Amino acid sequence: EPEVTQTPSHQVTQMGQEVILRCVPISNHLYFYWYRQILGQKVEFLVSFYNNEISEKSEIFDDQFSVERPDGSNFTLKIRSTKLEDSAMYFCASSYNRGVNEKLFFGSGTQLSVL
Amino acid sequence: KQEVTQIPAALSVPEGENLVLNCSFTDSAIYNLQWFRQDPGKGLTSLLLIQSSQREQTSGRLNASLDKSSGRSTLYIAASQPGDSATYLCAVKGTNAGKSTFGDGTTLTVKP
Repeated sequence: EPEVTQTPSHQVTQMGQEVILRCVPISNHLYFYWYRQILGQKVEFLVSFYNNEISEKSEIFDDQFSVERPDGSNFTLKIRSTKLEDSAMYFCASSYNRGVNEKLFFGSGTQLSVL
Repeated sequence: KQEVTQIPAALSVPEGENLVLNCSFTDSAIYNLQWFRQDPGKGLTSLLLIQSSQREQTSGRLNASLDKSSGRSTLYIAASQPGDSATYLCAVKGTNAGKSTFGDGTTLTVKP
């Protein structure tokens, strides 16, 4: 069965450093998402992306965050200057269609630790 | 603002029992509701998707229901097995642009 692939599985960085989290969505999917889960908290929406544009973003997704689909297969999340509170599991998700039957497929996540 | 609540937060049952997990949401204007399973340190595996116009969906031993007017969904697991032990999350899709709002999850332990 097709899967959403995320790399790396773990990322450790120093506060203030830039990180790029990478995702390869399912090949025929058109809609892409980033969510995150801080330890012990709910899974939170960050951003949705379609046709090379952000469709919707949360208040968490400030100027320190950016997303990009640099080629036909990858989808990346960049955090420009990491903070301690950015430590979380980051999940990429994709779907084939929008609307009432949109089914999200999630990757295994990247555990980001900011020291 | 959509709020999603799951009750109970944790549940421990002996193998073979039937059980019900609950999910409630505050805004009934939803597109769909999706149930996921999350194993420790892992990603989210989709279990069932219920469209806003549907009342229930079934997959194997799992049955999910949706009562949009009352803002409730249940996930019924029949004949539970130790392999069902995981955290179960419900997610409500509230806009066409794609945002889903998650509950806190119910952590299920099935004892052999």
